[in-house]
Amino acid sequence: AQSVTQLDSQVPVFEEAPVELRCNYSSSVSVYLFWYVQYPNQGLQLLLKYLSGSTLVKGINGFEAEFNKSQTSFHLRKPSVHISDTAEYFCAVSGTGGFKTIFGAGTRLFVKA
Amino acid sequence: DTAVSQTPKYLVTQMGNDKSIKCEQNLGHDTMYWYKQDSKKFLKIMFSYNNKELIINETVPNRFSPKSPDKAHLNLHINSLELGDSAVYFCASSQEERTPLHFGNGTRLTVT
Repeated sequence: AQSVTQLDSQVPVFEEAPVELRCNYSSSVSVYLFWYVQYPNQGLQLLLKYLSGSTLVKGINGFEAEFNKSQTSFHLRKPSVHISDTAEYFCAVSGTGGFKTIFGAGTRLFVKA
Repeated sequence: DTAVSQTPKYLVTQMGNDKSIKCEQNLGHDTMYWYKQDSKKFLKIMFSYNNKELIINETVPNRFSPKSPDKAHLNLHINSLELGDSAVYFCASSQEERTPLHFGNGTRLTVT
């Protein structure tokens, strides 16, 4: 079975500071990893994905994530955040053998002026 | 053009009523899903259809019944609504298992 753990429920950070949102997963099969963002009263949007290849993945809005197989992690980073990055961020994992994507509990990123 | 659209956006109803939520996608995807997001933002998959065939049916009360008339549509019907059904319900679609999900904007269901 697969599972996803987002280690921080809330991350407050000042504007223009760097941020890291942590995600760990467990799976007995090869995984595909995703980060999604949810702005208030909206659906989830894909930020970036890891399917295979380079372990450093770049996404939209200046975000990037690094897949670390030995630590079973897929942490999301941004070198300089903006007020508009305030949102809920979800790490997700999918695997072979089914169409089931499992989401973490989410991390609320709050960017302060 | 909205890729995944669901209606209504808000649904307020009383306990015991029956209601439906509709979802349509114009992305040409083969697979559609229903997810439930609770008040703590936790997302849980409920159902998944692939080419009109049910492939995922999580532990959901049988008061919830999905229907897929064609691969572009997946509706959710809920009988005998209960207070605990209050949540935001998201429809999503994907081309195949490894590809990202495309979400609708959600239906906020409030049961009073």
